[in-house]
Amino acid sequence: TQLLEQSPQFLSIQEGENLTVYCNSSSVFSSLQWYRQEPGEGPVLLVTVVTGGEVKKLKRLTFQFGDARKDSSLHITAAQPGDTGLYLCAGALGNAGNNRKLIWGLGTSLAVNP
Amino acid sequence: GAGVSQSPRYKVAKRGQDVALRCDPISGHVSLFWYQQALGQGPEFLTYFQNEAQLDKSGLPSDRFFAERPEGSVSTLKIQRTQQEDSAVYLCASSLLAGGFGEQYFGPGTRLTVT
Repeated sequence: TQLLEQSPQFLSIQEGENLTVYCNSSSVFSSLQWYRQEPGEGPVLLVTVVTGGEVKKLKRLTFQFGDARKDSSLHITAAQPGDTGLYLCAGALGNAGNNRKLIWGLGTSLAVNP
Repeated sequence: GAGVSQSPRYKVAKRGQDVALRCDPISGHVSLFWYQQALGQGPEFLTYFQNEAQLDKSGLPSDRFFAERPEGSVSTLKIQRTQQEDSAVYLCASSLLAGGFGEQYFGPGTRLTVT
């Protein structure tokens, strides 16, 4: 049962374009994480957001946690081919920082064409 | 430093065979997780160890799945009498802190194909 919905599922854009990926749920999470996964590898943590309304920036990536802690977005500015990969959001239920029961989205497969 | 390693990277099993998948976590990491990731989907939780204790196995899909971590380091996920629906990537992750807290570091996964 997927409690986290990610959209879009697939995205193919040209180098230099901007994009936004969304992660939505009816559940309230104590924290939410964004991962990037490349083929043949495990997911790698990009960021953890904890506070409702929180915005975090990681170079060209901007992450936002919704005020009600039910949704999140990832915005990439001036996408580059190296950004290609599967972007996954994962919400933690229970105590903040406790990742034992992460609820995962299905992922957004991003392809950035040169 | 060494990350989480898993072996084998690829495994093909005939339906009905037993398989054993190995995870070597980062040295000193207390928590260890196993996940199942089907093609085109996000990981799904299988089980959690704190040192050698299996504290949560609520995600194991059937009694054909068994995991152990006898000395609190290396872990093995065993699947008995494999079925086609077991085909997936099995990911292992470890974390420094107990209780499921802290960042999880993932291995590359073992891709299991049951024919």
